[in-house]
Amino acid sequence: NAGVTQTPKFQVLKTGQSMTLQCAQDMNHNSMYWYRQDPGMGLRLIYYSASEGTTDKGEVPNGYNVSRLNKREFSLRLESAAPSQTSVYFCASSAIYFAGTSGRLDTQYFGPGTRLTVL
Amino acid sequence: QKEVEQDPGPLSVPEGAIVSLNCTYSNSAFQYFMWYRQYSRKGPELLMYTYSSGNKEDGRFTAQVDKSSKYISLFIRDSQPSDSATYLCAMKRSGGSNYKLTFGKGTLLTVNP
Repeated sequence: NAGVTQTPKFQVLKTGQSMTLQCAQDMNHNSMYWYRQDPGMGLRLIYYSASEGTTDKGEVPNGYNVSRLNKREFSLRLESAAPSQTSVYFCASSAIYFAGTSGRLDTQYFGPGTRLTVL
Repeated sequence: QKEVEQDPGPLSVPEGAIVSLNCTYSNSAFQYFMWYRQYSRKGPELLMYTYSSGNKEDGRFTAQVDKSSKYISLFIRDSQPSDSATYLCAMKRSGGSNYKLTFGKGTLLTVNP
């Protein structure tokens, strides 16, 4: 089980360039997420996909698009990169399950991250 | 007021110390409380979760939730250098299709040998 994998690990772009960050999970999870992590800001949700075929905006969606290609894969696209998009990007996936007295849990598992620099 | 507040530290302790990490929150709808550990240049990994109020223990780690005070804690006993990481609290509302987690900004912990 590889868990959640992300490519690339590192990327440097010039302002205005486009790129797609790839994410895949092999845990048969229904839900997938894209976050960005910036110093002093914590983890912020960009987009999420509750299930195959659906996507929804998170806290900071501007400048990004997503595609839920199938149950395993969820990609994040920057159409015209800006220096403000310099960040570490994390993909996550989750499955809902019932855990007795703990109720319904939805724990997220994260990938290793992509470090993106936009010059 | 932010939904989740977490002291960013940094926190530096000697090996063997008891560590207390805390978060406060303002949204009374939060029912699920989690702690993630993030090593430098790695993704966060789930450490512990708690549903509603109470305590949960797992080895050297204890998570506490006090919903009346809107305050959660993570205690680490007999801290080890390998515990050096950033600790993130996270919370989620219950019910329906609400999948979103709200994270604290993280506390950087260093355990010195």
